[in-house]
Amino acid sequence: ETGVTQTPRHLVMGMTNKKSLKCEQHLGHNAMYWYKQSAKKPLELMFVYSLEERVENNSVPSRFSPECPNSSHLFLHLHTLQPEDSALYLCASSEQGSSYNSPLHFGNGTRLTVT
Amino acid sequence: KNQVEQSPQSLIILEGKNCTLQCNYTVSPFSNLRWYKQDTGRGPVSLTIMTFSENTKSNGRYTATLDADTKQSSLHITASQLSDSASYICVVSATSGTYKYIFGTGTRLKVLA
Repeated sequence: ETGVTQTPRHLVMGMTNKKSLKCEQHLGHNAMYWYKQSAKKPLELMFVYSLEERVENNSVPSRFSPECPNSSHLFLHLHTLQPEDSALYLCASSEQGSSYNSPLHFGNGTRLTVT
Repeated sequence: KNQVEQSPQSLIILEGKNCTLQCNYTVSPFSNLRWYKQDTGRGPVSLTIMTFSENTKSNGRYTATLDADTKQSSLHITASQLSDSASYICVVSATSGTYKYIFGTGTRLKVLA
């Protein structure tokens, strides 16, 4: 049982749909992340929230919109996506502020297919 | 440019055999290096962390090494098991920027019976 839970596990959506990915962490961490994982490419950082404030926005298209209502929950709102956005979307959390970067704890991801 | 390169891209070995995965990085400044294991359909899970002053660290059958001078790390798996089949990802943290994790593309390992 992972300390980071993502729903849904799989999502198929058309290019005109609007959907949301949800992430919840039960670890008491103060930072949450969205990553995109495509085949044969390194994980790409999309957004980082620290203490519910967005601290990183890695040149992500506006069709991806994050929301962090509290330190335990993170959403990724999707609209008018493109087929190349099909990928595994991973949520992670960590405890920041210590003398070294704490490990990222990942959820099991949402496999997104855009048709 | 901060970069992490892993080799080989994929590897097939027989159960019970040993293997070594490589990671070269050009991240500066350097904080630490982690190896993650990602099973199919799951998120990555941290196996081990190496800091600048550490040369070797073990976690069960997994042994990681770090050479900070040559900026190379390896992950050695001893007496492989079928459950070791997964992708192994090398991640380097830079000290400048708390959220700076630089990921490699991973090595996909398949262990055959």
